[in-house]
Amino acid sequence: AQSVTQLDSQVPVFEEAPVELRCNYSSSVSVYLFWYVQYPNQGLQLLLKYLSGSTLVKGINGFEAEFNKSQTSFHLRKPSVHISDTAEYFCAVILVSGGYNKLIFGAGTRLAVHP
Amino acid sequence: NAGVTQTPKFQVLKTGQSMTLQCAQDMNHEYMSWYRQDPGMGLRLIHYSVGAGITDQGEVPNGYNVSRSTTEDFPLRLLSAAPSQTSVYFCASSLTSGGYRSGANVLTFGAGSRLTVL
Repeated sequence: AQSVTQLDSQVPVFEEAPVELRCNYSSSVSVYLFWYVQYPNQGLQLLLKYLSGSTLVKGINGFEAEFNKSQTSFHLRKPSVHISDTAEYFCAVILVSGGYNKLIFGAGTRLAVHP
Repeated sequence: NAGVTQTPKFQVLKTGQSMTLQCAQDMNHEYMSWYRQDPGMGLRLIHYSVGAGITDQGEVPNGYNVSRSTTEDFPLRLLSAAPSQTSVYFCASSLTSGGYRSGANVLTFGAGSRLTVL
């Protein structure tokens, strides 16, 4: 079973509209969850993370995500997107194996913001 | 503050050739890892290391070798390149592989190395 599944490969949206990028994780992995963003021709950078505590996590650039244990989801949201948010977004989860932690990524969601 | 440095940025190989992708970090990070990124498949973990002298396999280790003789460097070797290894490769490091409650495991990524195998 996939450790982490991103339900949409592409999400087109108009500027200033709200957006939600969906991520579900396997209940067999840890619940340490991350969203990374990759702008064109760049490496990945951390948007936000959930390690414990409040289920609503706020990140950089106005993004937030909600950890939902019963639905095993960690969806990323932004109330109003900008053209500059056009990028690929990756959900990731810590997988503990052999005593070491490994970060496993979903397949990614390409967000395209149109004027 | 260089962070994670990968070289080369671009490389074209013929099938059967060997090469090494270099990765160096100057943040005294214990944990280093290599990922490959392919369209529609996200990033897949190739190999990782939790410290000098300690390496382990990730999700897709076949065709790749690694070693970790120093804390700073974590080279990825392709002994006999195949077209299936055409990809963008990312090196990433973090302070430790554990310590997730402190956020010490947040990865810092290099800019990537684009490899084409003909």
